[in-house]
Amino acid sequence: EVQLVESGGGLVQPGGSLRLSCAASGFTFSSYSMNWVRQAPGKGLEWVSYISSSSSTIYYADSVKGRFTISRDNAKNSLYLQMNSLRDEDTAVYYCARGLLQDVWGQGTTVTVSS
Amino acid sequence: DVVMTQSPLSLPVTLGQPASISCRSSQSLVHSDGNTYLNWFQQRPGQSPRRLIYKVSNRDSGVPDRFSGSGSGTDFTLKISRVEAEDVGVYYCMQGTHWPPLTFGGGTKVEIK
Repeated sequence: EVQLVESGGGLVQPGGSLRLSCAASGFTFSSYSMNWVRQAPGKGLEWVSYISSSSSTIYYADSVKGRFTISRDNAKNSLYLQMNSLRDEDTAVYYCARGLLQDVWGQGTTVTVSS
Repeated sequence: DVVMTQSPLSLPVTLGQPASISCRSSQSLVHSDGNTYLNWFQQRPGQSPRRLIYKVSNRDSGVPDRFSGSGSGTDFTLKISRVEAEDVGVYYCMQGTHWPPLTFGGGTKVEIK
């Protein structure tokens, strides 16, 4: 079964850091690009970041550029999002999604930035 | 950035009746490779999003055939031929033609009257 499982969310103070993980299974992870997409409470979907299959191409939304870093370890079938200098407005459920056209999504992990 | 505008915001529907959601883009979504990268996603209450339709009109595996997508250029539609109780949720369109960034519509909430 194709599956994505996010982890690493939690409560963090403004200015703090968190590292999210997304564990992939049931498909050849190294063949697919990946995305992080977030959803603030009661709001719509917002694309956060993209990484190509080989990590050669990386993009970020302007809202997180310079603060977030996407990476992957194809040997461990895992995707990561290092989030630094967190702000209140980063509070959201963070999803990993497979491929540019996002055909498979994880269940999400909740990040709460609050003092 | 390409702006995706969905309407209506909320769509109350009677069970068994059709429903239609509109998605308009601020520029044509025809890619230089000839494809149009417009997806539709369903998000049921308390669940993560699920892709229903890709490249305008292609249904994903396991998606009931009561769901259909159509459109071209800047104007797209998701139709549900006969709404069932399990169709309640929020529907989003998303473009993958002019990126980064990938952009989503604001969502349309489908509810039962």
